[in-house]
Amino acid sequence: EAGVAQSPRYKIIEKRQSVAFWCNPISGHATLYWYQQILGQGPKLLIQFQNNGVVDDSQLPKDRFSAERLKGVDSTLKIQPAKLEDSAVYLCASSGYGTGDSYEQYFGPGTRLTVT
Amino acid sequence: QKEVEQNSGPLSVPEGAIASLNCTYSDRVSQSFFWYRQYSGKSPELIMSIYSNGDKEDGRFTAQLNKASQYVSLLIRDSQPSDSATYLCAVNTGGFKTIFGAGTRLFVKA
Repeated sequence: EAGVAQSPRYKIIEKRQSVAFWCNPISGHATLYWYQQILGQGPKLLIQFQNNGVVDDSQLPKDRFSAERLKGVDSTLKIQPAKLEDSAVYLCASSGYGTGDSYEQYFGPGTRLTVT
Repeated sequence: QKEVEQNSGPLSVPEGAIASLNCTYSDRVSQSFFWYRQYSGKSPELIMSIYSNGDKEDGRFTAQLNKASQYVSLLIRDSQPSDSATYLCAVNTGGFKTIFGAGTRLFVKA
């Protein structure tokens, strides 16, 4: 079974530029998550999709971040314009639907973003 | 008040010893609990899930859950240098909401 795919793996941009990240979840997983992880901290949820609907985006800085999940499968996360404090690893994860082990999340390799 | 709390460490144990990692959570209705291992520069990897009070064993790993005390722990027996990583506790508080702790860094000395 293929895991969660993400691209790019690394990205360096200047502040005020824009950037986009792509994620393809595990086949059949209904729930997709985007996290931001700053060095030394736990993952912080940015947005969570159930199929192609948003379940939770309460911590997404909506003035600069946007995300969509195309046809309930792939997802993109965009930052425009980027700030220095956006430097972090952006993790995508997916899980099944329902109770118990359906909440087990499987993570992609992440994208390391550096804003200069 | 943080919703999922872990000691940041580092926790240092000698090779072959038992490493004990602890996590407390604030939401009493939480039902699902997870431990993830994260090596430096890598993404989190699920190693244990526990849903009922008591112990759950998987190889060298044992997860322990006490819902009355709102406490979940992970024991690693016969610790190996390859176990050196950050261990993240995650708690599902109902519905689709899962909250991660900041993690505990474990260092196993050879």
